[in-house]
Amino acid sequence: AQKVTQAQTEISVVEKEDVTLDCVYETRDTTYYLFWYKQPPSGELVFLIRRNSFDEQNEISGRYSWNFQKSTSSFNFTITASQVVDSAVYFCALSEPPAAGNKLTFGGGTRVLVKP
Amino acid sequence: DAMVIQNPRYQVTQFGKPVTLSCSQTLNHNVMYWYQQKSSQAPKLLFHYYDKDFNNEADTPDNFQSRRPNTSFCFLDIRSPGLGDAAMYLCATRDELAGVGETQYFGPGTRLLVL
Repeated sequence: AQKVTQAQTEISVVEKEDVTLDCVYETRDTTYYLFWYKQPPSGELVFLIRRNSFDEQNEISGRYSWNFQKSTSSFNFTITASQVVDSAVYFCALSEPPAAGNKLTFGGGTRVLVKP
Repeated sequence: DAMVIQNPRYQVTQFGKPVTLSCSQTLNHNVMYWYQQKSSQAPKLLFHYYDKDFNNEADTPDNFQSRRPNTSFCFLDIRSPGLGDAAMYLCATRDELAGVGETQYFGPGTRLLVL
């Protein structure tokens, strides 16, 4: 069975600080996708980034960056120079194979509070 | 803009009174999902449709049913809501034809309150 663990339940920072969210996953599949979603207080889950299991290249997109390390089954996400609008719950998710419907297994979420 | 739409955003119902939540999409995605999310928890998949093929999760209560009359619309029916069914209900879509592991796009959710 697949499992996603987000050990940090809540992180509080002051605006302009960097925030790194940890995500560790378990899967027996060799092909899979990893995602980060943001859920602001309004409730909508907003897609942020996706990475497939064959591509360990780390990237930066604006203030977002991610560090995918297959050897440690980790997919960490960093917000650089945080802003108050970044306050939300962030979910890491793992996509199951097509035979299982490409269903998402979510981590428990990390609440980020950015104080002005 | 193409999007996933859920109506209403807030729904209040009475204990035991049937309620229907709706989801529509302009993305023309063939896969649609319904999730239940309780306070401070991760979303939990209830069921999903591949086109018109319905796939129920093993632990989804019989009280929850779904209909998908066409590609654009999907409904979640709760036959006899209990207090424990109060939650945020999220609809998501995915384009299977775009390839393996394609992204799920979520609607804004309907927050259900059971009195």
